[in-house]
Amino acid sequence: EVQLVESGGGLVQPGGSLRLSCTASGFTFSSYAMTWVRQAPGKGLEWVSTITGSGYTTFYADSVKGQFTISRDNSKNTLYLLINSLRAEDTAIYYCAQRLSTGRFDLWGQGTLVTVSS
Amino acid sequence: QSALTQPRSVSGSPGQSVTISCTGTNSDVGGYNHVSWYQEHPDKAPKLIIYDVSKRPSGVPDRFSGSKSGDTASLTISGLQAEDEADYYCCSFAGSYIEVFGGGTKLTVL
Repeated sequence: EVQLVESGGGLVQPGGSLRLSCTASGFTFSSYAMTWVRQAPGKGLEWVSTITGSGYTTFYADSVKGQFTISRDNSKNTLYLLINSLRAEDTAIYYCAQRLSTGRFDLWGQGTLVTVSS
Repeated sequence: QSALTQPRSVSGSPGQSVTISCTGTNSDVGGYNHVSWYQEHPDKAPKLIIYDVSKRPSGVPDRFSGSKSGDTASLTISGLQAEDEADYYCCSFAGSYIEVFGGGTKLTVL
């Protein structure tokens, strides 16, 4: 079955770190760029970061640059998002998505909730 | 990387048509033919319904159509059905693997 499954979310204190994972199955993971999109409670979707299929090139939204690090392990079919210096405004559902082509995200995970609170 | 501008809400009766606009700049919507639209039902992941301005993925009804003029893209839903009630987001390529989403539009089927 073609799917993406995120994990790693949870409750974390301000200033803490968290690593999210997204495990892919049913397609050739290394052939596709992968993306993280987040959605704060009651808010809209926000593109966060994309990594190319090889993992050599990464791209970030200005709002997370220097704080978030995207990476992937193609041998494990897994995408990661390391979030440092967590702030309340990072509270959101984090989705991973397969970037099928430019601007086209056909496959999404179910999302993992990150809550930043003391 | 400013969010694209969408109306906060639109509404229509079953069988009617509604159009949702998505306004950006010549650095995103106006600069590329890579505008996509996503439908999001409560507590569900977003679903792609339009890509490359006007193309529909397999399985998406032809009641959903997309277009673009200048810096503004539009999603039209014809023959509204109750299950179309959802949030809709536009998304545009902005160069170098960077994407930008709209703020989202809540569609109410009256």
